Amino acid sequence: KAGVTQTPRYLIKTRGQQVTLSCSPISGHRSVSWYQQTPGQGLQFLFEYFSETQRNKGNFPGRFSGRQFSNSRSEMNVSTLELGDSALYLCASSLQSGTGGYEQYFGPGTRLTVT
Amino acid sequence: AQSVTQLGSHVSVSEGALVLLRCNYSSSVPPYLFWYVQYPNQGLQLLLKYTSAATLVKGINGFEAEFKKSETSFHLTKPSAHTSDAAEYFCAVSDRSASKIIFGSGTRLSIRP
Repeated sequence: KAGVTQTPRYLIKTRGQQVTLSCSPISGHRSVSWYQQTPGQGLQFLFEYFSETQRNKGNFPGRFSGRQFSNSRSEMNVSTLELGDSALYLCASSLQSGTGGYEQYFGPGTRLTVT
Repeated sequence: AQSVTQLGSHVSVSEGALVLLRCNYSSSVPPYLFWYVQYPNQGLQLLLKYTSAATLVKGINGFEAEFKKSETSFHLTKPSAHTSDAAEYFCAVSDRSASKIIFGSGTRLSIRP
């Protein structure tokens, strides 16, 4: 079974621009979560989608948004990029089943650099 | 609210020695607990998870962790370190919905030859 895929893997943007990152979950997984990883702040939860609905959200400004499609693929968007948005953005998918399938499987991440 | 504290941002052990990475959690509800490993320039890989079944959890690559409610701890151990264990390790906690996972700050494990 294919793992979580994220595209693109690397991205360079300029301050003020916007960016869209994509995540394809493991087949059959209905939950997709997004995390931001930086050396200073570590791993921080952005939001989680389940069956196209945002079910949980972290403490990030409204510039960070996301969505999930009917095939469970997810996108996150960051508008008006700031230098501090430079980070590794990780996507994770989960089966979310009552049989204990709550662990999240992570993709390789998208490395975003804002200049 | 939930949180995780990992004691020691960097741990160094000799090859063949015991690995012990410490994690304490705080949770107002019964938690799920996880240990993940991250190799350079890669995503996170699940090592093991605690979901209220056995308190001693065995994971991949010879790692195991014990859930101790009285100590609010979930320390990760491996009897004999291997050079391939060098990586960053993250402890994490969630509630039973697991829709939001809170990660610790990570512990970088180095292995001395």
